[in-house]
Amino acid sequence: DAGITQSPRYKITETGRQVTLMCHQTWSHSYMFWYRQDLGHGLRLIYYSAAADITDKGEVPDGYVVSRSKTENFPLTLESATRSQTSVYFCASRDSLNTEAFFGQGTRLTVV
Amino acid sequence: AQSVTQPDIHITVSEGASLELRCNYSYGATPYLFWYVQSPGQGLQLLLKYFSGDTLVQGIKGFEAEFKRSQSSFNLRKPSVHWSDAAEYFCAVGGVPQPNDYKLSFGAGTTVTVRA
Repeated sequence: DAGITQSPRYKITETGRQVTLMCHQTWSHSYMFWYRQDLGHGLRLIYYSAAADITDKGEVPDGYVVSRSKTENFPLTLESATRSQTSVYFCASRDSLNTEAFFGQGTRLTVV
Repeated sequence: AQSVTQPDIHITVSEGASLELRCNYSYGATPYLFWYVQSPGQGLQLLLKYFSGDTLVQGIKGFEAEFKRSQSSFNLRKPSVHWSDAAEYFCAVGGVPQPNDYKLSFGAGTTVTVRA
């Protein structure tokens, strides 16, 4: 199916574990983003990427790692999960033709 | 640095009444401005966007927004609210997407409750 998909949709993990959230888009958009959504903070940018192998830190990058070996994939890894990383994570993509960002359905991550 | 402020955390409105959500932005160049809506448990859907031209922009679901450069504002309005408009609304700002400037910054959101 065309679009942007995130997996898993729900994840429970333990403190200290590594977890990877997946994001895949079928449009070949150049730009991709990871946001976290927390009550009272709206959407905060974690990392973003302009193309394969080009990534930049956003507002809240600590504790997260990203990679982008292929244009269509942009996984987000929590190296050692902490309770403060319990959140809803959204992946988005954008290109220079369609100026808005298109969002995935989100991943609800709970760290216990 | 770019930023967005949504002064109202929560608004309650009666069905059929008008709605206005405020958005103030900070951006160094000509901004792209967006309003997104998020229904409970869902992703974000674009309501409307503005870059240039007519400062009053029409969007989906009967929403409109007005860009006021002098006030750095991009307020969202709807003349008559329906119960299905209960959701969270986000304002966002960014530039023309290019390799050195392509991120979008979002406000904290405004939750809209619609009472019968």
